[in-house]
Amino acid sequence: SQELEQSPQSLIVQEGKNLTINCTSSKTLYGLYWYKQKYGEGLIFLMMLQKGGEEKSHEKITAKLDEKKQQSSLHITASQPSHAGIYLCGAVLNSGNTPLVFGKGTRLSVIA
Amino acid sequence: DAGITQSPRHKVTETGTPVTLRCHQTENHRYMYWYRQDPGHGLRLIHYSYGVKDTDKGEVSDGYSVSRSKTEDFLLTLESATSSQTSVYFCAIKPGQGGSGYTFGSGTRLTVV
Repeated sequence: SQELEQSPQSLIVQEGKNLTINCTSSKTLYGLYWYKQKYGEGLIFLMMLQKGGEEKSHEKITAKLDEKKQQSSLHITASQPSHAGIYLCGAVLNSGNTPLVFGKGTRLSVIA
Repeated sequence: DAGITQSPRHKVTETGTPVTLRCHQTENHRYMYWYRQDPGHGLRLIHYSYGVKDTDKGEVSDGYSVSRSKTEDFLLTLESATSSQTSVYFCAIKPGQGGSGYTFGSGTRLTVV
């Protein structure tokens, strides 16, 4: 959806390096979700952010929500081959029970 | 996986034929969704349901219809399949509790020849 822009579209990093993926909304964010998808498989939920300034971590992955910028960042520390895949952000852009809209995804490759 | 299954997993069909994809959940959730995933487009919403016989259109609903006659099943029908409908189709459910995202099925890879 053009309402959610992810950057970069693809990323190749060396194992052990840190990286950041951004998700920017053109509308007010009522909730921001990060998913990971391994090639040819379904989506795995990583974490959800709702409040401005909120930050959550899961193992070596940290996500933050910047309410003023309507943006979320996903940061991976010391990347590993297991981090490779497609990362998608999904957002609730209206109050109520409106369905998630998704960005186009960021394809991450981790090389030795 | 987490009480949601899609069938079939793979299908090849001919242009002009009707196709029905099935999404089945075992968790009695109210909300169910159908998305399609295409290179360069990400995930786009086709239709969704907020209860039995309650459905609404998404961003890319043309050429698709849905039905939900019981809580556990959400069917997606391609009325007359076209090559542009070649895609990977994902069903999702929305858990009732906050803080957890949608749970997605494993997907159906549909090829229209």
